[in-house]
Amino acid sequence: GDSVTQMEGPVTLSEEAFLTINCTYTATGYPSLFWYVQYPGEGLQLLLKATKADDKGSNKGFEATYRKETTSFHLEKGSVQVSDSAVYFCALRGGNQFYFGTGTSLTVIP
Amino acid sequence: GAVVSQHPSWVICKSGTSVKIECRSLDFQATTMFWYRQFPKQSLMLMATSNEGSKATYEQGVEKDKFLINHASLTLSTLTVTSAHPEDSSFYICSAAVTGYGYTFGSGTRLTVV
Repeated sequence: GDSVTQMEGPVTLSEEAFLTINCTYTATGYPSLFWYVQYPGEGLQLLLKATKADDKGSNKGFEATYRKETTSFHLEKGSVQVSDSAVYFCALRGGNQFYFGTGTSLTVIP
Repeated sequence: GAVVSQHPSWVICKSGTSVKIECRSLDFQATTMFWYRQFPKQSLMLMATSNEGSKATYEQGVEKDKFLINHASLTLSTLTVTSAHPEDSSFYICSAAVTGYGYTFGSGTRLTVV
């Protein structure tokens, strides 16, 4: 079945450091891929998405490219800020159902 | 647009009591609502899918008699945890599919059973 494997955390970075959170997927067909962010005490918010191979999703300085050949959708940001501290979930959508990774907790220290 | 309002945001209840969680679509009609559960340090797991006016479809391993889902209108879906036990303590979150927008999530409910 469909599944998502996400880099385990927690991840702690200094402000302005480069961020990579790895995500790979297994899916039948051609799923859409997503990154969601969960700030402390809040629900999920869509960060970015890509719907087909080679698409690049981007938002708030974060980027991820849909790589069909490596079945990956790694999240990157060139310079993180303290306000980026949150839990990040990689997800794929097959039909109406989402499959989430386990989440990666990111803490950015000043 | 496409906002789902989820209440309560947190609740503490005694073992054996029931708790109702509501999700309301504020500016669209939610034909289908999805209910997820997140245990600490784990991912969101789909519990059930509810369709307006019909019975919910539960994922394997989810007790339908314990987690009652009602989707009586296009703007309201509820999840009732019946006879709650400490192992039901979790973060519950709903999601709705929105035509032309994608999927939107509620803010979640932190349930603690003592």
